[in-house]
Amino acid sequence: QSVLTQPPSASGPPGQRVTISCSGGTSNIGSHTVNWFQQLPGTAPKLLIFSNNQRPSGVPDRFSGSKSGTSASLAISGLQSEDEADYYCAAWDDSLNVLFGGGTKLTVL
Amino acid sequence: QVQLQESGPGLVKSSETVSLTCSVSGAAISRNYWSWIRQPPGKGLEWIGYIYNNGVTKYNPSLKSRVTISVDTSKNQCSLTLRSMTAADTAVYYCARGDLKFDYWGQGTLVTVSS
Repeated sequence: QSVLTQPPSASGPPGQRVTISCSGGTSNIGSHTVNWFQQLPGTAPKLLIFSNNQRPSGVPDRFSGSKSGTSASLAISGLQSEDEADYYCAAWDDSLNVLFGGGTKLTVL
Repeated sequence: QVQLQESGPGLVKSSETVSLTCSVSGAAISRNYWSWIRQPPGKGLEWIGYIYNNGVTKYNPSLKSRVTISVDTSKNQCSLTLRSMTAADTAVYYCARGDLKFDYWGQGTLVTVSS
């Protein structure tokens, strides 16, 4: 069981806005920035959001991140079929360890 | 364009040691953080450790006793050695640039541990 807790699944119809949560503690999310990764089926993960809410070049602005206290969220607006993927949050922990959330499988209905 | 390519044996026996190599192009191995991350089939991601500045390393505490990460600057490669392999180590192993902001990834290499 991951220290960073994500819902195992999320879903929504095309065009809708969905949010994926990532819950941690004071030693990780509460003290460090959060990154988000998207993993399309059969491929390596891709950096989606870094430093809580920054998008790398090339990532659509439909994707946004936020952090409050010991929790973080990834929001995807205008849901598209190509967004169907696994999403992972990640953060440093004071135990000198990079933690990943357990992952959320997003289904576009 | 930064590119990473993992290589290594696809099959190892239980209790043996596996060595994987990550060949990097488009970025200097000596000037970045390089991490290894693994993913068991059908499961989530687990950070193994990183190396930077040609030799400074940090490892996941749960794997620290069995892991070594090193670089070969002459070949621009990063290597992972994992000792005393068990079935629980069966996974796709990725190398990635960074210590959390993993902005470039290899395609991954599957390592299966057989008994």
